[in-house]
Amino acid sequence: SQKIEQNSEALNIQEGKTATLTCNYTNYSPAYLQWYRQDPGRGPVFLLLIRENEKEKRKERLKVTFDTTLKQSLFHITASQPADSATYLCALLLNNAGNMLTFGGGTRLMVKP
Amino acid sequence: EAGVTQFPSHSVIEKGQTVTLRCDPISGHDNLYWYRRVMGKEIKFLLHFVKESKQDESGMPNNRFLAERTGGTYSTLKVQPAELEDSGVYFCASSRTMNTEAFFGQGTRLTVV
Repeated sequence: SQKIEQNSEALNIQEGKTATLTCNYTNYSPAYLQWYRQDPGRGPVFLLLIRENEKEKRKERLKVTFDTTLKQSLFHITASQPADSATYLCALLLNNAGNMLTFGGGTRLMVKP
Repeated sequence: EAGVTQFPSHSVIEKGQTVTLRCDPISGHDNLYWYRRVMGKEIKFLLHFVKESKQDESGMPNNRFLAERTGGTYSTLKVQPAELEDSGVYFCASSRTMNTEAFFGQGTRLTVV
């Protein structure tokens, strides 16, 4: 069966450390993988997009890797801050599936001061 | 530039009633999407408009749901008659082109009692 798995348990880290979130998928062939941030009561906010032929993408303190052999993406936040506390969602844009995003369940990140 | 706006932010209705949700996309965005998140589950795709045409409605759960986008501007999603399992948060998103980042609204929380 097709699945996108993100750690459903909250990730608690200390301010200043690097947060690493994982997104694993099975039986999908994604053209793109996107990461979104969601705060309570708000809609998802786009962070980064990485294509199937890209290995790594960076934006300020954010870094995403994409391994289509392992079927895994890692999302890193360096020098984390309490303001980074939120739920982070990975979403796949699949080949031959139009333009719809398929979301994982999200991982809640808590950065403690 | 105004973001994606959704109305209402909350709606509580009785089973069997009708509810209409509205989404105003970002001006100039031809692509408009509806998603929803039911309790404890992932965000799921409902449908995709390109201008006023339905590009993909494969995620619509049943014929109690009707989406329209007359004139290719704002969109409405009507649920008639509402059932208890329709409760959840309904998100609208828009994008300028396909395969680019999607901007989400804050969502409409629908509760059917």
